[in-house]
Amino acid sequence: AQSVAQPEDQVNVAEGNPLTVKCTYSVSGNPYLFWYVQYPNRGLQFLLKYITGDNLVKGSYGFEAEFNKSQTSFHLKKPSALVSDSALYFCAVRDINNNNDMRFGAGTRLTVKP
Amino acid sequence: DAMVIQNPRYQVTQFGKPVTLSCSQTLNHNVMYWYQQKSSQAPKLLFHYYDKDFNNEADTPDNFQSRRPNTSFCFLDIRSPGLGDAAMYLCATSRSGTSGYEQYFGPGTRLTVT
Repeated sequence: AQSVAQPEDQVNVAEGNPLTVKCTYSVSGNPYLFWYVQYPNRGLQFLLKYITGDNLVKGSYGFEAEFNKSQTSFHLKKPSALVSDSALYFCAVRDINNNNDMRFGAGTRLTVKP
Repeated sequence: DAMVIQNPRYQVTQFGKPVTLSCSQTLNHNVMYWYQQKSSQAPKLLFHYYDKDFNNEADTPDNFQSRRPNTSFCFLDIRSPGLGDAAMYLCATSRSGTSGYEQYFGPGTRLTVT
């Protein structure tokens, strides 16, 4: 079955520092990977996706993610964190073996401190 | 702007009193999803409509039902809400065809059961 794992429940960084939110995946076949962000009492917002092509994917709000096939990872990154980036981040994979359902990781809470 | 709309944003119902949550979309997507999300956990898929075809997740309780009268609207009916059904309910849409399409989420309805 297709799945993703987010090994960190929480990530804390100082404003202006680079941030990384980790995600590893387990799929059969080609992976279709996504990152979403959720602010308090809001729905999930799409940030970026990897389907094929360049391993470095650029998305909304200055975020990017690097697809690494050998390490089966799809870590979310940003060169300089903002306090407003504090939110819950979900990695997800399309389960092509099950109706193309989206399988979400457990989520990582990012806190950016001034 | 094209979007996914959920009403109401906050719903309070009594234990055992039926409640209906609504979702509408202007994206003209053919797939619509309902998720349940508790306490900053990963969203849990309840069911989805692929066009008019209803797909129920195996572990979705019978207490949860859904209707999709047309492409734009989808409803979640909870026939006899229990205290354990208090959660954020998220509606999402997607376009079928390839696995590469992301899902677009509404802002959610927070359900409180008293």
